[in-house]
Amino acid sequence: GENVEQHPSTLSVQEGDSAVIKCTYSDSASNYFPWYKQELGKGPQLIIDIRSNVGEKKDQRIAVTLNKTAKHFSLHITETQPEDSAVYFCAASIAGGSYIPTFGRGTSLIVHP
Amino acid sequence: DAGVIQSPRHEVTEMGQEVTLRCKPISGHDYLFWYRQTMMRGLELLIYFNNNVPIDDSGMPEDRFSAKMPNASFSTLKIQPSEPRDSAVYFCASSYRASRTEAFFGQGTRLTVV
Repeated sequence: GENVEQHPSTLSVQEGDSAVIKCTYSDSASNYFPWYKQELGKGPQLIIDIRSNVGEKKDQRIAVTLNKTAKHFSLHITETQPEDSAVYFCAASIAGGSYIPTFGRGTSLIVHP
Repeated sequence: DAGVIQSPRHEVTEMGQEVTLRCKPISGHDYLFWYRQTMMRGLELLIYFNNNVPIDDSGMPEDRFSAKMPNASFSTLKIQPSEPRDSAVYFCASSYRASRTEAFFGQGTRLTVV
């Protein structure tokens, strides 16, 4: 089955800095890679996703990149703000196939004012 | 739609007692997932249903855990008897495969077994 590794487990940055979270996956058939943000006391919520037919996707201060050859994908947050502090999860799945997402272990991002 | 609704939000129970967690998925969604979240193991998929039918329960840790989905709008996760190591946050999520693969999570149930 799919295995998703996520690093780092904790990331501490100053407000305004950039943050990068990296994930690797094992199943070359995976073609859908969502990122979820989990705020304290809440369930994870999708913030951005990328499919295997594109290499990069941006949404305001958030961007995701995908390297299919190396089987890794990353989340980039620029100009971080305190409200970005949360746990971030990457996941990999096969859209249209077995579909069920496999999640990484999560990264706790702390943005210091 | 109000999103995925879980109840209760918090549950404290004594070891050996039966615990039932409840979930109402988003209307129209055909997949329902139960996850368990702990510091040690992260988000673990326990079981998932497609069109109310359990498809894969290989993540259910022991026979003490069982899940049902009697209809498209309701699912339960039961632990009997509960043990302290079952303490975790349990999430229910639902999705609609035909349109998108995003999973919508509920707020979770924080279970504490003392």
